[in-house]
Amino acid sequence: EVQLLESGGGLVQPGGSLRLSCAASGFTFTSYAMTWVRQAPGKGLEWVSTISSSSGATYYADSVEGRFTISRDNSKNTLYLQMNSLRAEDTAIYYCTKRSPAFDSWGQGTLVTVSS
Amino acid sequence: EIVMTQSPAPLSVSPGERATLSCRASQSVGSNLAWYQQKPGQAPRLLIYGSSTRATGIPARFSGSGSGTEFTLTISSLQSEDFALYYCQQYNNWPLTFGGGTKVEIK
Repeated sequence: EVQLLESGGGLVQPGGSLRLSCAASGFTFTSYAMTWVRQAPGKGLEWVSTISSSSGATYYADSVEGRFTISRDNSKNTLYLQMNSLRAEDTAIYYCTKRSPAFDSWGQGTLVTVSS
Repeated sequence: EIVMTQSPAPLSVSPGERATLSCRASQSVGSNLAWYQQKPGQAPRLLIYGSSTRATGIPARFSGSGSGTEFTLTISSLQSEDFALYYCQQYNNWPLTFGGGTKVEIK
């Protein structure tokens, strides 16, 4: 069974940083691109970033380009999202997803709140 | 950026009736279109990918169709557990984009 377990969310002040992690199990992590999708409170889904299986390619939404960095450690079956210069509009639940190429598995999400 | 537009919003349907949800892309996405279901407090769940292929474990009452810019998700006979939010998403072009969602509510 595929399991994706996010962690690292919390309350942070505007301009601050957070690193999200996603521990993956139940599938061959090294074979799949991985993606972060977020959902602001009461809003729809927004694609944030994708990383290829080998980390050779990364993609970002314009809204986070230059502030967020996606990475993965295939030896640990773990996906990361380093978030810098956080803004109030980054407040959301952040989901880790497995891409195949649709998002066929999702974690339970981790809440990031940016507020002073 | 490809804009995905979903209609109607919301959709009121009686249990046992058919529900038809629409999704329109601002430019062609071929068949690279997925549908997701989301219930309150839960993560989204993949229903359909490749415009018409049901994901693992998805009941046959869910079906998808379309290509290019016009897509449809049909729920043939609504069950109580089907009242939820539904999102379409294109994965043909970067950035990947979602529609705004259609809420299927009890009539």
